[in-house]
Amino acid sequence: AQTVTQSQPEMSVQEAETVTLSCTYDTSENNYYLFWYKQPPSRQMILVIRQEAYKQQNATENRFSVNFQKAAKSFSLKISDSQLGDTAMYFCAFTTDNYGQNFVFGPGTRLSVLP
Amino acid sequence: EAGVAQSPRYKIIEKRQSVAFWCNPISGHATLYWYQQILGQGPKLLIQFQNNGVVDDSQLPKDRFSAERLKGVDSTLKIQPAKLEDSAVYLCASSLVPGRPAYEQYFGPGTRLTVT
Repeated sequence: AQTVTQSQPEMSVQEAETVTLSCTYDTSENNYYLFWYKQPPSRQMILVIRQEAYKQQNATENRFSVNFQKAAKSFSLKISDSQLGDTAMYFCAFTTDNYGQNFVFGPGTRLSVLP
Repeated sequence: EAGVAQSPRYKIIEKRQSVAFWCNPISGHATLYWYQQILGQGPKLLIQFQNNGVVDDSQLPKDRFSAERLKGVDSTLKIQPAKLEDSAVYLCASSLVPGRPAYEQYFGPGTRLTVT
């Protein structure tokens, strides 16, 4: 069974600083897709960033970047220049399938950005 | 473009009662998902539709949960009878027919169910 682990239930960061959220996963597949989703207090989940396992280059989206370590099965999210609007639950997610089957979410990390 | 719509937003029922949730995905999205999110946990996939066919329902408690997606558009998720442990937020998401690069799921606001 595929699993996703997020070892940090809660984190906080000062506004404008950088924070890294950890995620590890377990799979025997060679090709798969990894995601970070953000769920603000209003609860509507949105995609932050995604990474295809076959790509060696780490994905970046503005202030968000990932550190993908395939051998270690690690997929951390770095948020630079943190903003108050980044306060949310962050979920690491994973699927091995182009059709999104067996889509698995981690338990989440609650991030608080402090003024 | 309009997002994923869900109703109702909140529902309180007593155990052993029945309840139904409705989801309208983004127009043109062929894939629809229902997730259960218990407080403090990540979403758990209950069922996935591709058009009006079921792709994955391996985690759906079929003795009490059912879902349908008639005509490949709107979907309903039903619980009958409800148990206390069904208290959760039920999220609906949709995505285009996936292909490379990896697709994106668009989530609705969710329905918060409280079973007393």
